[in-house]
Order: sequence, then structure tokens, then C-alpha cells
Amino acid sequence: EAGVAQSPRYKIIEKRQSVAFWCNPISGHATLYWYQQILGQGPKLLIQFQNNGVVDDSQLPKDRFSAERLKGVDSTLKIQPAKLEDSAVYLCASSPRGMRDEGGYTFGSGTRLTVV
Amino acid sequence: AQRVTQPEKLLSVFKGAPVELKCNYSYSGSPELFWYVQYSRQRLQLLLRHISRESIKGFTADLNKGETSFHLKKPFAQEEDSAMYYCALYNQGGKLIFGQGTELSVKP
Repeated sequence: EAGVAQSPRYKIIEKRQSVAFWCNPISGHATLYWYQQILGQGPKLLIQFQNNGVVDDSQLPKDRFSAERLKGVDSTLKIQPAKLEDSAVYLCASSPRGMRDEGGYTFGSGTRLTVV
Repeated sequence: AQRVTQPEKLLSVFKGAPVELKCNYSYSGSPELFWYVQYSRQRLQLLLRHISRESIKGFTADLNKGETSFHLKKPFAQEEDSAMYYCALYNQGGKLIFGQGTELSVKP
């Protein structure tokens, strides 16, 4: 099966600019997650979708970050305006129903964001 | 507080030596624990989960509720085991919480 697709792979922007990341999960996977991984740290969950509804966005800095999952398939994560501390790899993951699945999450290759 | 701690940022061993990557957790409920691995230039992928009680690529991990640990072990390390390893906890709220990761370097 095709994996989780993310684009772009790399992005460099200046602080205060806006940026958007795109994720296409595995076909049929109901649950989609966005993680932020800062250099030297483990991934941190930003937002979780079940189909096109938000399950958990408690860790999402809502003053500057937003995410949507139209029609329960693709998802976009946006940062506006970006700060230097947003420099990180943004990972998208999906699973058929949730963590109870045998395979756990399937991760994309991530988008590496550098804010200068 | 729900937390996963991996005390070692870097673990360096020689090929053929035993490996133990430490993971401790803090969680009041019944934990589900996982090990994820990221090889160089590859995606983060599931290595094993404690419920399965399986051995993957020679690695095993046993959940010790008394010590709140889920250490990853392999009796004889191989060079291809060099990677970043992340311990993760799945909580009842449906979140996967990761530790900081341990870089394993296996020298020839």
C-alpha cells in the first residue's frame, strides 16, 4: 500500500511569514495526526483528527497554528506568522481507527521547516 | 503526569555486544508501550509493542510495571541497528507520547 505522503520535504522562510504543509494519509485511514519534532527531542502531538473532526488539539498553539482535514482525507497544517522556535520537522501520521490497531501509526517522511 | 523518559541521548557499542536502551514511564492507568525506530534518512516506524510480546530484528522489550520500565534489549548488536530509537506511551485519551529518543551507534 502507498505510505503517508507529505509535502514539501523542506521549507525555509523568514520569521513572520506564513507556511503550509500538506499530508495525504493512507487510503481508508480514519485517524490522522500532526506531530512537531524539534531537534534533539521526541515528536510532540499537535492535533489529532478522526475523519474530518478534531479529537484533540490541546497542544496546538492556536494563535498561530491551524489545521484542517477536508472530507476526512487530506490535511493541511498552517503557521501564520512563523516564529524562530517553530523550526522543526512536522510529521504526519495515520492509522485505520486509532492506536489499538496492530500496526500502530504509519508516519510520513516529514517536512523540515527552518525559520530564519 | 504522563511522561516517557529515555535517560541516554547516545549509546555507543561494538558489533556483537549486548544492547539495552532504557525507557521509563509515568502513567497512572494501564499503559500500552511501544518502541519506534528511525534509520538514517528513513521514516519513523514501529519496531515493537509490548502487547505483542514479539521479537523484531532480534530486539525484545518487557514491560515491568513495578519499575515502570520498558527497556529495549538485543543480545548481539549489528551495525545495521544504528538508528534513533523512541519509546512511546499510548494513553487512554488516545495520545501517543514519545520519549526524547536514544541514538544507538554500533561500531564495527
